[in-house]
Amino acid sequence: NAGVTQTPKFQVLKTGQSMTLQCAQDMNHNSMYWYRQDPGMGLRLIYYSASEGTTDKGEVPNGYNVSRLNKREFSLRLESAAPSQTSVYFCASSDLSGDSYEKLFFGSGTQLSVL
Amino acid sequence: GENVEQHPSTLSVQEGDSAVIKCTYSDSASNYFPWYKQELGKRPQLIIDIRSNVGEKKDQRIAVTLNKTAKHFSLHITETQPEDSAVYFCAASNSGGSYIPTFGRGTSLIVHP
Repeated sequence: NAGVTQTPKFQVLKTGQSMTLQCAQDMNHNSMYWYRQDPGMGLRLIYYSASEGTTDKGEVPNGYNVSRLNKREFSLRLESAAPSQTSVYFCASSDLSGDSYEKLFFGSGTQLSVL
Repeated sequence: GENVEQHPSTLSVQEGDSAVIKCTYSDSASNYFPWYKQELGKRPQLIIDIRSNVGEKKDQRIAVTLNKTAKHFSLHITETQPEDSAVYFCAASNSGGSYIPTFGRGTSLIVHP
């Protein structure tokens, strides 16, 4: 039981390049999230998916797209990376039933630098 | 939407002292208040949570209190140890509504041996 798995752990991009961050969870959770963490700014929600087949914008969605591929996987895509997207990205999952009700389980993070 | 303010941004204590981190929220419909701990270079992990039907919850050296009237909640750590050094995040959400948690900006707790 790996929990939430994110890849890659580190990535350096040049301005204008694209990339996709991958996330998968094995806890059968319905909800999945993408956050970015910047110094002094806490965790800000980029996009979330309440259930398979649905996605919604969070607080800071500009410059990102997401895909909920199936119940397990939720990917984040940067189409044209900008230096302002340099950040640490966390994927998370939760459920609205059982022992993990509303509790977020985070992946290990992706440190992204855009030059 | 919900707005969560967290104070202080940095807290430095001596080992064995108590530490208190405070958060306020704006949406009176919020009813779930978790706290996450993030050690350096690691992922945030839930350490304790409280729902609006109780005023206090304890788990060994940590406790959380909630004042619904004033719309604030606090994390209390007693007998601090160096391994308590981390960034702590509070959050608030509405189980009956969007359920998406809004986070505070975090408190960096430093426990000096």
